[in-house]
Formats: sequence, structure tokens, C-alpha cells
Amino acid sequence: EIVLTQSPGTLSLSPGERATLSCRASQSVSSSYLAWYQQKPGQAPRLLIYGASSRATGIPDRFSGSGSGTDFTLTISRLEPEDFAVYYCHQYADSPRTFGQGTKLEIK
Amino acid sequence: EVQLVQSGAEVKKPGESLKISCEASGYSFTIYWIGWVRQMPGKGLEWMGFISPVDSNPRYSPSFQGQVTISADKSISTAYLQWSSLKASDTAIYYCARRGSPDPAFDIWGQGTLVTVSS
Repeated sequence: EIVLTQSPGTLSLSPGERATLSCRASQSVSSSYLAWYQQKPGQAPRLLIYGASSRATGIPDRFSGSGSGTDFTLTISRLEPEDFAVYYCHQYADSPRTFGQGTKLEIK
Repeated sequence: EVQLVQSGAEVKKPGESLKISCEASGYSFTIYWIGWVRQMPGKGLEWMGFISPVDSNPRYSPSFQGQVTISADKSISTAYLQWSSLKASDTAIYYCARRGSPDPAFDIWGQGTLVTVSS
């Protein structure tokens, strides 16, 4: 089973700042089958990034994903008030599919 | 509009059975697998398994094999998750999600079903 470790656990930033979230895998994620989801309180997760770097439909271009192998990054270039939420990485290259434990992005 | 609509919240007692549903609309149900994801109170996401609507053949995460049953009825574009004997530790929000194509990330999610198991 591929274990995903996200860092930091909590990130405190202000609107307009740049956010960098990390996801490290215990073994290589083949085909870059790595996704990022955003979850707000009381809501279902929403797909932001798939294939490590492709934005899902309707996702603003301030969200970008990068990385390969075991190290992946989600970057939010300029934080908007609606971006404060919990973010999960997810690998779907190997069974069982696994998620990271989440990074909470909070307003400073 | 492509969407997955799940059945409503449930409150059950330990030992009771339960079947929750996930109805798809706005796309061809048989083309995309449906997955189930658990989120325990205040915790992260856990993949439980998939169902292929074409052949109704389920695949389970080892953590959930034998604990739940996943099924589908393609005639009504609906997937199901069921328990034969609930435990308090089954208390969680359960999400269904569509496995996308060609990239198989979970691209569409249901709104979630809260299952509360308490005596």
C-alpha cells in the first residue's frame, strides 16, 4: 500500500499570499496518477488537479500541481478567501487507492 | 448536469442492516465505475471499493473486504453500499464518487450520506 504523507498539517496564510502544499509518497506513483482535492466544511471533496498537473474542469488557474515519482506539490498562487479549506492528495496508480491525511489551510 | 445524488442521513442501532444509494444522472451510467469513500468524524478520506456498472463486479479495499457489500442496478443508474450488521465504528459520512475517464481520478462526487450507529 502506498502511504501518502502531506505537509504541513496546518498552513496559516493571508489572502493574496502564495500557498505551497506537499505530498510525499512511500513509493513511486506510476503514470503520475496523483490528484488533489479541496474539501470545505460540510461539503464533499472537489477535484482540483489530476494526473499530477492537469486542472479539472472549472478550476481557476491560480491552482497548479507539479511533481512526479514520490514528491508532489499543490501551489495556489494568490489565495482568495474561498480557498481556505482542507486539501487532500490521492494516489490512484496502485490498489488500494490511498489519500494523504490532509493539509488544513487557514486564514492567518 | 452530471451529478451523483445520495440517499439521506440514517440513524441505526448496532447490529441492524443498512443499504444506502447513489443515483447517477447526466451521463451514461455504464461507462464509469463508481467508488465509495468513507470519512469518519473529523478524519480523512478512505477508499472502500469500486463497482463496475457494466458487470456489477465489485472490487474492495482489503480494509473493507467482508465488512460491506457494493452493488449496482444499471436499469436505474444507481449504486449501493450495504452493511449486514452495523457497528458503532461504522459511524461516518459515506461518499460515492465517479471514476473518471480517460484519467481515473474521482471527478464527480455525491453530497455524502451521514450514517450514525448508536444504541
